Amino acid sequence: DAKTTQPPSMDCAEGRAANLPCNHSTISGNEYVYWYRQIHSQGPQYIIHGLKNNETNEMASLIITEDRKSSTLILPHATLRDTAVYYCIVQGASGTYKYIFGTGTRLKVLA
Amino acid sequence: EAGVVQSPRYKIIEKKQPVAFWCNPISGHNTLYWYLQNLGQGPELLIRYENEEAVDDSQLPKDRFSAERLKGVDSTLKIQPAELGDSAVYLCASSFQGATQYFGPGTRLTVL
Repeated sequence: DAKTTQPPSMDCAEGRAANLPCNHSTISGNEYVYWYRQIHSQGPQYIIHGLKNNETNEMASLIITEDRKSSTLILPHATLRDTAVYYCIVQGASGTYKYIFGTGTRLKVLA
Repeated sequence: EAGVVQSPRYKIIEKKQPVAFWCNPISGHNTLYWYLQNLGQGPELLIRYENEEAVDDSQLPKDRFSAERLKGVDSTLKIQPAELGDSAVYLCASSFQGATQYFGPGTRLTVL
């Protein structure tokens, strides 16, 4: 199962874009990249996922490099409510559906 | 649509006592997961069910932990007896055939 590497913490000014990087250099061709966030005392919340194309939804955008070895989650206009721990996960190969969480990036949005 | 429901949200017990956690997944989701989350760490999978079958329980400490999903819907995770090191958050998640997982709020267990 592919592992991910994320910076332990980041700060972002309110209203600015938050760009959260993730390295997944051992990802296999059929493995998806998932992003979740966890606000204190809550369960992880699904944000977005992708295979190789860039994806966008109402919460965020996901940019995956062409070699698929890294990705960036973009929150276009961060608010104080986006302060959370963000997890980048590579879903296990077909048949296992296994999520392996790392320690994530603690994003603090500053007023 | 209701999300994943877990109860209780908080539980405080003394060591060596038994404890049970309950999870009701999103309607129609056939895959159910139990995770353990220690403070400052990401969740770790304990067990995964496909309908009523436990298809991955390799990380479940079977000497004291047990789980069941008798009718392929809701599930119970039990610890007997609890130890101090079991203090953690126990998360339940569900998905449809192994796709995107949706998590419940978790049960925070404190063992004294």
